[in-house]
Amino acid sequence: DAGVIQSPRHEVTEMGQEVTLRCKPISGHNSLFWYRQTMMRGLELLIYFNNNVPIDDSGMPEDRFSAKMPNASFSTLKIQPSEPRDSAVYFCASSLGVVEGYTFGSGTRLTVV
Amino acid sequence: GENVGLHLPTLSVQEGDNSIINCAYSNSASDYFIWYKQESGKGPQFIIDIRSNMDKRQGQRVTVLLNKTVKHLSLQIAATQPGDSAVYFCAETFVANQAGTALIFGKGTTLSVSS
Repeated sequence: DAGVIQSPRHEVTEMGQEVTLRCKPISGHNSLFWYRQTMMRGLELLIYFNNNVPIDDSGMPEDRFSAKMPNASFSTLKIQPSEPRDSAVYFCASSLGVVEGYTFGSGTRLTVV
Repeated sequence: GENVGLHLPTLSVQEGDNSIINCAYSNSASDYFIWYKQESGKGPQFIIDIRSNMDKRQGQRVTVLLNKTVKHLSLQIAATQPGDSAVYFCAETFVANQAGTALIFGKGTTLSVSS
């Protein structure tokens, strides 16, 4: 099992550009979560999906952020336009119903300059 | 909203000592708690969990204690090793939500183990 796969590992972009982060959950997992991690705010839940349906997006900071899960094996988090304050590590995690099966990817380190 | 918080941001111990990392939670509806370990450049990894109908749960070298009266959670690591150096997060959720569950994390405690 390759685990949760995120790409890219690192992304540096200029302010105003569109950024797309990608996640492939563990096969068979039915829940997918996007988190953002910063020193100041720690791990913040942005949005999560259950069976490809968004359940709670109240953590999405602004309309500039959007997430999709077109099928059970792929999800994207898009920021358009990006701003320097969006710089953070973005984690994707997946689980199979039971929360203890929560597996995190290695994260995407985003730097907006 | 209610958030999980941590008492201390850093903890430094000597190799072989026992470590205790604390966590306070404020959502009395939470019924499931997990401790995660995050090493530099990696995502959080599951260590141990506990449900609200338990006070204590033991794993290999780790013990989680839950005090629902004061809404306090702790992680004890026995015979701490250099490889235990990492950031430790507690997280809470309520599994009764049929639509799915999401973990809410505290800000983390950095454990530093010296030889």
